[in-house]
Amino acid sequence: QSALTQPPSASGSPGQSVTISCTGTTSDVVDYKYVSWYQQHPGKAPKLMIYEVNKRPSGVPDRFSGSKSGNTASLTVSGLQAEDEADYYCSSYVGSSNVLFGGGTKLTVL
Amino acid sequence: EVQLVESGGGLVQPGGSLTLSCAASGFTFSGYDMTWVRQAPGRGLEWISSISTTGQTLYYADSVQGRFTFSRDNAKNSLYLQMNRLRAEDTAVYYCARRHSSAWYYFEYWGQGALVTVSS
Repeated sequence: QSALTQPPSASGSPGQSVTISCTGTTSDVVDYKYVSWYQQHPGKAPKLMIYEVNKRPSGVPDRFSGSKSGNTASLTVSGLQAEDEADYYCSSYVGSSNVLFGGGTKLTVL
Repeated sequence: EVQLVESGGGLVQPGGSLTLSCAASGFTFSGYDMTWVRQAPGRGLEWISSISTTGQTLYYADSVQGRFTFSRDNAKNSLYLQMNRLRAEDTAVYYCARRHSSAWYYFEYWGQGALVTVSS
């Protein structure tokens, strides 16, 4: 069974950078060309922040960046701001017409 | 402005049925693949189904395959999720989402969600 593993929490002070990881557990997830990241504030719908590993949709600040190395994709938030405090989910198309989400990471701005 | 508005959520008994709707506006609805994603209370996101522009191609997660049916009416700019044989673990907020231009598995616009509670 494919899975995407994220740390349950991450934190940083305003102005700092924080990186959230997303690790795949099977070879098809390891391919990782189809990773996206979503931000979700409490009680709100998710928002697409990164797609295709490192591309930003229109309107997403360039403080948000994505990357991958081996079987791990990462989301980096630079210049942390209070409004960045939210849950972040990675997602990947894993073939066989199936999409997985990671378990989510709660980002706290200290 | 792209808008997606879900409706039809509510309380249903285990084994029962419910149909969710999603009304779309602000874009050419017939030109986009659409998706349902759900989120159990206090839990993460779960992709459950996607549908092609014509409705002829459908994808389902194993957890709902055979119980849920996704359909669309392009004349009415609407999506429907027919949910049968509901279980307690189907309790969640259900979001409809529109694909990003890059690929059907990136979800760029989301509705506000509809809560489905399965309980006796």
